[in-house]
Amino acid sequence: SQTIHQWPATLVQPVGSPLSLECTVEGTSNPNLYWYRQAAGRGLQLLFYSVGIGQISSEVPQNLSASRPQDRQFILSSKKLLLSDSGFYLCAWNRGGLGNQPQHFGDGTRLSIL
Amino acid sequence: GQQLNQSPQSMFIQEGEDVSMNCTSSSIFNTWLWYKQDPGEGPVLLIALYKAGELTSNGRLTAQFGITRKDSFLNISASIPSDVGIYFCAGQLDRDDKIIFGKGTRLHILP
Repeated sequence: SQTIHQWPATLVQPVGSPLSLECTVEGTSNPNLYWYRQAAGRGLQLLFYSVGIGQISSEVPQNLSASRPQDRQFILSSKKLLLSDSGFYLCAWNRGGLGNQPQHFGDGTRLSIL
Repeated sequence: GQQLNQSPQSMFIQEGEDVSMNCTSSSIFNTWLWYKQDPGEGPVLLIALYKAGELTSNGRLTAQFGITRKDSFLNISASIPSDVGIYFCAGQLDRDDKIIFGKGTRLHILP
């Protein structure tokens, strides 16, 4: 069966510090991968998605970036965090190349910026 | 772009009551999805609908894909305390399209 892992689960960082959140998927190959941000009590905002290694699409302009160095690894980064980057970050995957496939989410990373 | 209107935004019900929430869109979708998110966790897929008019159940949950392809509803029967959480609807038009999420319905259950 497929599983998705995100870490860390929680993170407290000062303004201006760098960021690296990691997401890995097991049990499947060539998945589509997604990063979402969820503000407190709000819906899901799609940040980035990837259909393959090195292929990243950005949905909203921001100081975050994403990379996919390996087939099942998706990384969310920032060089300098802003207060507005606080939130709950979710990674998700679905099967690539086949019909409409539901997305499956990781447990999220709660990021607090001080 | 496409948007989903999910209602109600929040619900306060008594344990044992039935719950109904829905999602509407100004444009059609070919897939409707319903997720539940517990506090501090990622959303979990509850039901996936792939055909207009489809009615699908998962335990006490029932969801329908509207015949116009512009709406979907989720019903929960005989609510229990563990039903508390945020319920998201999501729609997708075609394989290469992004999944669009509603803003969620927060369900509270009174003892």
